[in-house]
Amino acid sequence: KAGVTQTPRYLIKTRGQQVTLSCSPISGHRSVSWYQQTPGQGLQFLFEYFSETQRNKGNFPGRFSGRQFSNSRSEMNVSTLELGDSALYLCASSPGGTGAFGGELFFGEGSRLTVL
Amino acid sequence: KNQVEQSPQSLIILEGKNCTLQCNYTVSPFSNLRWYKQDTGRGPVSLTIMTFSENTKSNGRYTATLDADTKQSSLHITASQLSDSASYICVVIPNTGNQFYFGTGTSLTVIP
Repeated sequence: KAGVTQTPRYLIKTRGQQVTLSCSPISGHRSVSWYQQTPGQGLQFLFEYFSETQRNKGNFPGRFSGRQFSNSRSEMNVSTLELGDSALYLCASSPGGTGAFGGELFFGEGSRLTVL
Repeated sequence: KNQVEQSPQSLIILEGKNCTLQCNYTVSPFSNLRWYKQDTGRGPVSLTIMTFSENTKSNGRYTATLDADTKQSSLHITASQLSDSASYICVVIPNTGNQFYFGTGTSLTVIP
């Protein structure tokens, strides 16, 4: 069974640009959640999508947005990039269901974003 | 304020030795607590999920304990191996709301 796939794995952008990251969940999983990981802050929750609807949202500015498609694949977009957005962005999939984040999380390898 | 604190921040041990990592939390009401292992440059991998009623749960050489009264959890690693070198992250999920609460992790280095 294929795991969670994130693309691209590495990317470099400059301040003011925007970026789109992609996440393909495990087949059959309906929940996709996104996280930002930095050395100083650790892992921080961005948002979760379930059946194409944003079900939960963390405390990030509106520059961070996402969406989920009918095949459960998800994209995350960051507009007007700032230096502080440099981080490892992780996506996780889970079967979904009732309750917050419905079950075990399976993480991808992450997309490492560097903003210059 | 909901918080998760892990200690120590980093730890170096000799191969074959045991170690214990700590996680204290103030998250309430509590649903479950999870331990993840994250190798450098990789995504986190789940080690255990513990609910309110569980005191101990093992996964091979990893044993997690939970004291929901004192809001403390520990992860004990026995007979450490070089491959145990990683960051260990404690995550607490409340019963209500829509947030995961992450600790900043303990960086473990196992040396030969």
